[in-house]
Amino acid sequence: GAGVSQSPSNKVTEKGKDVELRCDPISGHTALYWYRQSLGQGLEFLIYFQGNSAPDKSGLPSDRFSAERTGGSVSTLTIQRTQQEDSAVYLCASSNTGWGNTIYFGEGSWLTVV
Amino acid sequence: AQSVAQPEDQVNVAEGNPLTVKCTYSVSGNPYLFWYVQYPNRGLQFLLKYITGDNLVKGSYGFEAEFNKSQTSFHLKKPSALVSDSALYFCAVRDGSSGTYKYIFGTGTRLKVLA
Repeated sequence: GAGVSQSPSNKVTEKGKDVELRCDPISGHTALYWYRQSLGQGLEFLIYFQGNSAPDKSGLPSDRFSAERTGGSVSTLTIQRTQQEDSAVYLCASSNTGWGNTIYFGEGSWLTVV
Repeated sequence: AQSVAQPEDQVNVAEGNPLTVKCTYSVSGNPYLFWYVQYPNRGLQFLLKYITGDNLVKGSYGFEAEFNKSQTSFHLKKPSALVSDSALYFCAVRDGSSGTYKYIFGTGTRLKVLA
C-alpha cells in the first residue's frame, strides 16, 4: 500500500483481556518495527523484524507481549492479560533495508485499558 | 549501545524567529541520524536525515540540521518559525556500523511557536 496501515485505530479493552494490533507495512519493505508511545513519554522500541532473520525482541516489556509477522508482510502485536499500564499508542513502522534507509510510521493504534 | 538525548522538554519561540531543537547521540559506530515530527493524534512524519557527506542537511518544511561529530550533536534548525511548526519533534539514531536496523528515539521536544 501507499503507507503503513494500522488497525484498529482505537481500542478500549477491559483489564485482563487479550488484544491484537495489526500492521500492514509499505509494499516491498522488508523491515517492520513496533514502538510504544505512552502519554508524555518518548518512543519505546519493542521489536523489529528483518526479512527472514530472527526478530529482535529485546524491547518487549514482559512475556505478555508477543509479535509475529506472517509471510514477510503483515504483523500482529498481541498483548495478553492487559494491564492499565499497557495503555499507550502502539506505532508500527517499516523500511527497506538499503543503506541509510528511512523508516516510515503508521498513524498508530490507541489502546486504552480500563 | 546507542542512545539519544533531547535535553529540552519544550522550546518556545516567537513566530518569525529562528528555532533550534537540540539532540545529542551516542553510538559506537557510524551514526545515522534522523528527525521526525508528530502532530496531535498523528503518527511520526520524517523530516530529514544524516547518513554521510555534507554536515548540513536540508529537509521538509524548511527545516535543516547540522551534524557535529566532535560534539556528537544533530540539532534541528529553521531560520524563521511558523505557528504551524508547533508540534512534537523526535530525534533518532541508528548505528550504521553494527548491522542492526534498530532505531533509538529520544524523548521528544515540544515546540511551541507563539504568534
